[in-house]
Amino acid sequence: AQKITQTQPGMFVQEKEAVTLDCTYDTSDPSYGLFWYKQPSSGEMIFLIYQGSYDQQNATEGRYSLNFQKARKSANLVISASQLGDSAMYFCAMREGPYNTDKLIFGTGTRLQVFP
Amino acid sequence: EPEVTQTPSHQVTQMGQEVILRCVPISNHLYFYWYRQILGQKVEFLVSFYNNEISEKSEIFDDQFSVERPDGSNFTLKIRSTKLEDSAMYFCASSKGQIPSTDTQYFGPGTRLTVL
Repeated sequence: AQKITQTQPGMFVQEKEAVTLDCTYDTSDPSYGLFWYKQPSSGEMIFLIYQGSYDQQNATEGRYSLNFQKARKSANLVISASQLGDSAMYFCAMREGPYNTDKLIFGTGTRLQVFP
Repeated sequence: EPEVTQTPSHQVTQMGQEVILRCVPISNHLYFYWYRQILGQKVEFLVSFYNNEISEKSEIFDDQFSVERPDGSNFTLKIRSTKLEDSAMYFCASSKGQIPSTDTQYFGPGTRLTVL
């Protein structure tokens, strides 16, 4: 079974609108972390936001927020007020276990295109 | 803001040749990682490194691969005898190593390896 599933290979959104990128995960470990990274066409991986499994509140970082639904094992990324520069690949990733040394497991990504 | 750096940005080599990919992690980080991303696919974990030894490695990280921290700043990935299927983007990442952790792995810009 896939540990991280991103079911949307591509998404389109108009500038200034909000968009939700889906991510579901599979783990039996009670302690885990969920991450979103942005990969522009230039190729680098840019950290966006983190959610810990024990965090009571949904994480927010500027225009990014994470809609964490633990019972459903989903960690969707919400981008508000989309900008043209948000066009990129977005990867959801999970780290299992309580120790930061644990590897990140990535999903297959969603390509977001923002149009004027 | 401190960042992970990688050199070279692009490496072209002949099959069977040795390559060394170099990374300079963020200076106060203690944990180091290599990931790779074959074109159009998801990011895959290769190896993690802490306290001058490998913490974990994936099944991809076979005897052809090795990692080293030759001095206080560099972290290298060596592929002894490259194969066509080693063509990929290779990312170095580092993290502080705090427990309990909201720790994030910060990625470098990647080295695109092309094996001919």
